[in-house]
Amino acid sequence: AQSVSQHNHHVILSEAASLELGCNYSYGGTVNLFWYVQYPGQHLQLLLKYFSGDPLVKGIKGFEAEFIKSKFSFNLRKPSVQWSDTAEYFCAVKNTGFQKLVFGTGTRLLVSP
Amino acid sequence: DVKVTQSSRYLVKRTGEKVFLECVQDMDHENMFWYRQDPGLGLRLIYFSYDVKMKEKGDIPEGYSVSREKKERFSLILESASTNQTSMYLCASSSNPGQFEEKLFFGSGTQLSVL
Repeated sequence: AQSVSQHNHHVILSEAASLELGCNYSYGGTVNLFWYVQYPGQHLQLLLKYFSGDPLVKGIKGFEAEFIKSKFSFNLRKPSVQWSDTAEYFCAVKNTGFQKLVFGTGTRLLVSP
Repeated sequence: DVKVTQSSRYLVKRTGEKVFLECVQDMDHENMFWYRQDPGLGLRLIYFSYDVKMKEKGDIPEGYSVSREKKERFSLILESASTNQTSMYLCASSSNPGQFEEKLFFGSGTQLSVL
């Protein structure tokens, strides 16, 4: 069965630092990949997604993620974080042809001003 | 904007009670989902539905049931609540029936405490 690993459970950064959050999935084949974000007190929302084509995808608020098929990875990046990026970030994977979206355990990011 | 509304933000129930969590979406989505969110465990799928009166088990369906009598409403039922069901429950609906779960729209969640 598909599983998703987010190795960083808690990340603390200062404003303007660069961010990279790791995401690895276990099962190959054709996959659809997602990053969701939950800001404090708000509902989960889609940050970006990859279905096909260019493996470097850009999302909202300056975030981007790169799909590396050979490494089963879909890491999230942002060159310069802001205090408002403080949130919990979830990676999710769906195998094409399957109906379930599998989420990782999440990474809590704290950005200090 | 799509709105997914969960009836309660906080709920406190006693062990053994029957609990109903209600979810309504206003965008005519075919697909609806119930997840529970626990610290360190992420989101785990309980049940989902891809049509009225249709339901599929997710990864952790034990102790739960669901009902979808109308397209816009998806209810989660805890037949006999237990303390290990204390959790944040999230309802979601998805935008593209052809691309199952292409994008999920989430509700604000219901924090359920079972005492």
